Amino acid sequence: AQKVTQAQTEISVVEKEDVTLDCVYETRDTTYYLFWYKQPPSGELVFLIRRNSFDEQNEISGRYSWNFQKSTSSFNFTITASQVVDSAVYFCALSEAGFGNEKLTFGTGTRLTIIP
Amino acid sequence: SAVISQKPSRDICQRGTSLTIQCQVDSQVTMMFWYRQQPGQSLTLIATANQGSEATYESGFVIDKFPISRPNLTFSTLTVSNMSPEDSSIYLCSVDYTRGDLNTEAFFGQGTRLTVV
Repeated sequence: AQKVTQAQTEISVVEKEDVTLDCVYETRDTTYYLFWYKQPPSGELVFLIRRNSFDEQNEISGRYSWNFQKSTSSFNFTITASQVVDSAVYFCALSEAGFGNEKLTFGTGTRLTIIP
Repeated sequence: SAVISQKPSRDICQRGTSLTIQCQVDSQVTMMFWYRQQPGQSLTLIATANQGSEATYESGFVIDKFPISRPNLTFSTLTVSNMSPEDSSIYLCSVDYTRGDLNTEAFFGQGTRLTVV
């Protein structure tokens, strides 16, 4: 069975600091997909990234970056120069299915608070 | 990307009643999923809604409590039946959307915030 662990329940940092959200996953499949979603106070889920298990390249998108390491089964998310608008709950998720099926297993989420 | 519209966005219901949540997508999608997010918790998959066949339910969820319809490739409904306060949650619809480059992504509706009193 697949499992996603986000050990950090809550994190608070002062604005402009960098912050890393940890995600560790378990799966028996060799093909899988990893996701990060942002859930602001309004409640909707905002898609941030999808990464397949064969692509271990780190990715950077503006102030966001992701570090995927299969050796440690981790897919960590870093926000550089944090802003108040980054305050939200962040979910890491895993999909074991292949093409055409995005049934997701979610971690418990990390509540990030950026202090102005 | 796929645009997903969920109705209602929120509701307060009496225990023992039922509520039907609608999910409309602006394009045809193969798979639609229903998730529940209990207060302060993560998301848990309820079922996968397949067009033309019965929904596939995850462990702990049954059709009598959460009947699902999927009449076509752009629409699905989830009914929360015989509600109790424990059903108070956010219910989210998700679709499996295939982009032009053949990569698939999971998009979510804005959710339905249900409170049962």
